[in-house]
Amino acid sequence: AQRVTQPEKLLSVFKGAPVELKCNYSYSGSPELFWYVQYSRQRLQLLLRHISRESIKGFTADLNKGETSFHLKKPFAQEEDSAMYYCALHNNAGNMLTFGGGTRLMVKP
Amino acid sequence: ETGVTQSPTHLIKTRGQQVTLRCSSQSGHNTVSWYQQALGQGPQFIFQYYREEENGRGNFPPRFSGLQFPNYSSELNVNALELDDSALYLCASSPTSTHSGNTIYFGEGSWLTVV
Repeated sequence: AQRVTQPEKLLSVFKGAPVELKCNYSYSGSPELFWYVQYSRQRLQLLLRHISRESIKGFTADLNKGETSFHLKKPFAQEEDSAMYYCALHNNAGNMLTFGGGTRLMVKP
Repeated sequence: ETGVTQSPTHLIKTRGQQVTLRCSSQSGHNTVSWYQQALGQGPQFIFQYYREEENGRGNFPPRFSGLQFPNYSSELNVNALELDDSALYLCASSPTSTHSGNTIYFGEGSWLTVV
């Protein structure tokens, strides 16, 4: 069975501070991992995916298969980064996303 | 290009009743998935429809059922509503079902309250 765990429900940082949102997964196959973000009063949207190895809005995430982690990082948080962040795993059949419980990021001025 | 649209946005039902939620997929997308998001939790996969056939199902009882139409729009039906069915129901569409590299687009959801 696949599982995604986000240990922090809430993460509060000051503007300009580094941010790391933790995500751990368990999956027997080759995982494909994503970060989704939901800003206030907006729909859930894709932030980034591990296969792209891209940086979006200053965020990066590296898949660590040894530690089964996919932590989301940003060196300098901005107030507009305040949102709900969900880590998600796509099964190999490609038809199901398993989400973590989400972490609310609050960036204080 | 239109986005994923869902209706209704909010509704209240009584325990034991039945509900139908509707979703129009993004233009050009033939795959629709439904997720349930309870308050304070992440979305949970209910099922996926691809070319009008169910293509995967999560851990939900048979009283959760769905349909996909030739235009790729979809319905989620829930029978014998229970209080725990109160949640945000999200519809998501993607170009194909099995190419996991495709981006999945979510609708804004339908808030269901069961009293």
